[in-house]
Amino acid sequence: SAVISQKPSRDICQRGTSLTIQCQVDSQVTMMFWYRQQPGQSLTLIATANQGSEATYESGFVIDKFPISRPNLTFSTLTVSNMSPEDSSIYLCSVVPRGGNEQFFGPGTRLTVL
Amino acid sequence: AQKVTQAQTEISVVEKEDVTLDCVYETRDTTYYLFWYKQPPSGELVFLIRRNSFDEQNEISGRYSWNFQKSTSSFNFTITASQVVDSAVYFCGGGTSYGKLTFGQGTILTVHP
Repeated sequence: SAVISQKPSRDICQRGTSLTIQCQVDSQVTMMFWYRQQPGQSLTLIATANQGSEATYESGFVIDKFPISRPNLTFSTLTVSNMSPEDSSIYLCSVVPRGGNEQFFGPGTRLTVL
Repeated sequence: AQKVTQAQTEISVVEKEDVTLDCVYETRDTTYYLFWYKQPPSGELVFLIRRNSFDEQNEISGRYSWNFQKSTSSFNFTITASQVVDSAVYFCGGGTSYGKLTFGQGTILTVHP
């Protein structure tokens, strides 16, 4: 498995501002992803964070709204831009460790937008 | 496109009862994998199992067991002798070798003492 940390664990933000969420893994991983879990809902994949290149976004998510960086094999950031109350969700990063197939999730970042 | 259906939105049982959570995963992919995660009230996602589509052997891990039937696209999860600590939201779903997961809507399991 992998030990995954996310910062911040939670935040309350004002409409129109942006928040950058960090995901740090204790070992090199092959794949990193970002998911969103809206209140009372299931998880939806936002994008695949590609190391050294642009992220691959799922339908309904765009780079201008959710810019993602992955400068190395253990770290990624997700920015939620120009936030509105509809962006209030838990944002989770997940990883697939090297040599493994299972996907493990970070503890999540609980975002509330006022 | 993939579709995941978890038949039960909520299940309520009394401790020590057995409980089965149903999951159907529909896809046009010939090779895929299925999974179950648990999300307790604390919110973290706990990995339970991953099973490849070509492996229809049932699996047992302690009080947990999984039954995969490819013919019906079902991947059901049974908890034997349930405990209060089993109370959580359980998500099933599927994915591809590229790692993109599709989740079901979840089943809220409440185990009463």
